[in-house]
Amino acid sequence: GQQLNQSPQSMFIQEGEDVSMNCTSSSIFNTWLWYKQDPGEGPVLLIALYKAGELTSNGRLTAQFGITRKDSFLNISASIPSDVGIYFCAGETGANSKLTFGKGITLSVRP
Amino acid sequence: DGGITQSPKYLFRKEGQNVTLSCEQNLNHDAMYWYRQDPGQGLRLIYYSQIVNDFQKGDIAEGYSVSREKKESFPLTVTSAQKNPTAFYLCASRRTGGNNQPQHFGDGTRLSIL
Repeated sequence: GQQLNQSPQSMFIQEGEDVSMNCTSSSIFNTWLWYKQDPGEGPVLLIALYKAGELTSNGRLTAQFGITRKDSFLNISASIPSDVGIYFCAGETGANSKLTFGKGITLSVRP
Repeated sequence: DGGITQSPKYLFRKEGQNVTLSCEQNLNHDAMYWYRQDPGQGLRLIYYSQIVNDFQKGDIAEGYSVSREKKESFPLTVTSAQKNPTAFYLCASRRTGGNNQPQHFGDGTRLSIL
C-alpha cells in the first residue's frame, strides 16, 4: 500500500531556531496536509496544499507541495516552546479519497 | 461551538466485552472517519462513511463495527474479536462535494484493557 516517510522520528532544537521537516513517498498524491498533535489530543490541521509547486504560509509555518507530487516539506521559523508536539504529514490521491499518514516527527524545543 | 465531540475521553474494557466509542459532529459534514493510533505510529484507518446509511472498511477493520444512522453521528464498536484494542482512537469528519476539504479531528478516546 501507499506509505509516507517521515524522518527522523524525533528532533531537538533550541528555542528561536528554524526547523524543516520532510515527507516523501514513492506514490503521487494530489493533496498534502500537515497536522500537529499535542499529547492526548487530536491532530490539528496546520496547512493544506492542493497544487504541485504550491508554497503556503500560516504565520511562522511554511509548507510546499513538491513538483513531483511525491514530497512535501514544512518549515517552522523562530521556534517557541509551544511548537512542541508531533507533526504528521498526510497525502490524498483524489478528491474525497482516503488519507495516508506518515508516522510523525516528535519535535522538542529547548528553552 | 461547532466541532467534533468524542466521548468518553478514557474508556476501559474487560476481556470479552464490546465497547462503543461515540463521535458526534455539528459541522454538517457528510463524511466521517475512524482512525486508530498506536505509540510511534501514524494514524490507521478503521472505517469511513461518505454518506448516511453507508460505510466502508478501512485498512484495519477486523474486530470493529460501525453504524451511520444519522449524519452527525458515527459510533465505533470495538468488539471482543479485536485482540489488541488498547490504543488512542480518533474520529474525523469533512465536507464532501467540491475540492479542498480537509479532514478535521476530534480529541480522541483512549481505550485500555482491564
